[in-house]
Formats: sequence, structure tokens, C-alpha cells
Amino acid sequence: NAGVTQTPKFQVLKTGQSMTLQCAQDMNHNSMYWYRQDPGMGLRLIYYSASEGTTDKGEVPNGYNVSRLNKREFSLRLESAAPSQTSVYFCASVVEDQAEEAQETQYFGPGTRLLVL
Amino acid sequence: GEDVEQSLFLSVREGDSSVINCTYTDSSSTYLYWYKQEPGAGLQLLTYIFSNMDMKQDQRLTVLLNKKDKHLSLRIADTQTGDSAIYFCAEKDTGFQKLVFGTGTRLLVSP
Repeated sequence: NAGVTQTPKFQVLKTGQSMTLQCAQDMNHNSMYWYRQDPGMGLRLIYYSASEGTTDKGEVPNGYNVSRLNKREFSLRLESAAPSQTSVYFCASVVEDQAEEAQETQYFGPGTRLLVL
Repeated sequence: GEDVEQSLFLSVREGDSSVINCTYTDSSSTYLYWYKQEPGAGLQLLTYIFSNMDMKQDQRLTVLLNKKDKHLSLRIADTQTGDSAIYFCAEKDTGFQKLVFGTGTRLLVSP
């Protein structure tokens, strides 16, 4: 049981390049999330997916697209990277089992550090 | 909208107690969480408290919740150098399963 995994761990892009950040979870969770973390700003929600086949915008969706390929995978795409997208990106998934004591607890991946030059 | 605030920095000596504070705005939050982030790593759930509780203790961790003042605190007893990290509090958005995070408190524990 690997939990939430993210690839790549690090990436350097030039302005205007595109890339996809991958996230997968093996905990059979329905809901998955993408956050970005910037100094002094905590975590901000980019997009989320309540279930396979559905996605919704979060707090800061501009410049990003997402795809919920199946229940396990939720990818984040930058079509034309900008320096303002330099950040650390975290994927998370949520426990929803009513039997779990801490339902709605979010489990996080290790993050992808992205630098856009 | 919801807002969660924390002080940015706390420095303590090894063996002392640490108290990290958090204030939130959504009075209907059901769960409140504390996460720990070590350097270069993702967020790890430390503990949580349900909104109908005032206190929760888990080994060296004590969470206190004052619903009237919308104030949450995390006390770490006998703080160790391994406790040095950033600590985030978070509340659950009542409209959806979305967490609203504070800015994080960087805890530095010196020997």
C-alpha cells in the first residue's frame, strides 16, 4: 500500500512549455485534490474531483487543467507554464468510509517541486 | 469565505512544551485538523478533533478547541528536535469536502 504517489519529484520548465503532473492513490478513495503551496500562503486548492469522471475548480484554477483518468489517477496539466506557477504541488485523496474514525481525512503525496524559468 | 490564521514562527528549547495556535472563521466546521510537514516532504496528518469536543490527547499531543472563540491549539509536550517542522491547522469547508489550511507555523526546536 503506497498511499498517494506523485511524479515527477522535481521539474524545471521554460516559460511556455507544457507538462503533466501525475498522481495516483491505491486506497480506493473517491475524492482527490490538487493543491499548490507557496511561502507564507499555506495550501491553496487548484482543482478537485469528487468521483471518477467529475472535476471542479478550486480557489486558483487559472492556467491549469485536470483529468480524472480513473478512480486511482488524477493528473494536473500546465498547458503553457508561467513563472507564477513556480511552486510545490501536492496531490491528496480523502477517506470517506463511514467506519473510519477520521472520515474526510486527507492523505497527501510527497509533492512535486516545479520551477518555471 | 473561510479563513484560518496562524502565527508564522515558534522557537522552543528541547524538552520544553510547544503551543501552536490557530484561529478559524467557519463556526459550522465539523472537523479541525493538525498536519505536520517536514522539510522536503508532504503533509502528514498528526491529529484531528471533532467539533463537539473540547480537548483531545494523543501521547505527547494535546489539542484544545474553544468553539466560542474559534480558537484551536496544539500542545506538544517534551518537544524534541525531531518535532522541528511546519505545522498546519485546517478546517473542513462545510459546503464540500474541502480543507481550508492556515499559512503554517514553523516550529524550530533547539538543543
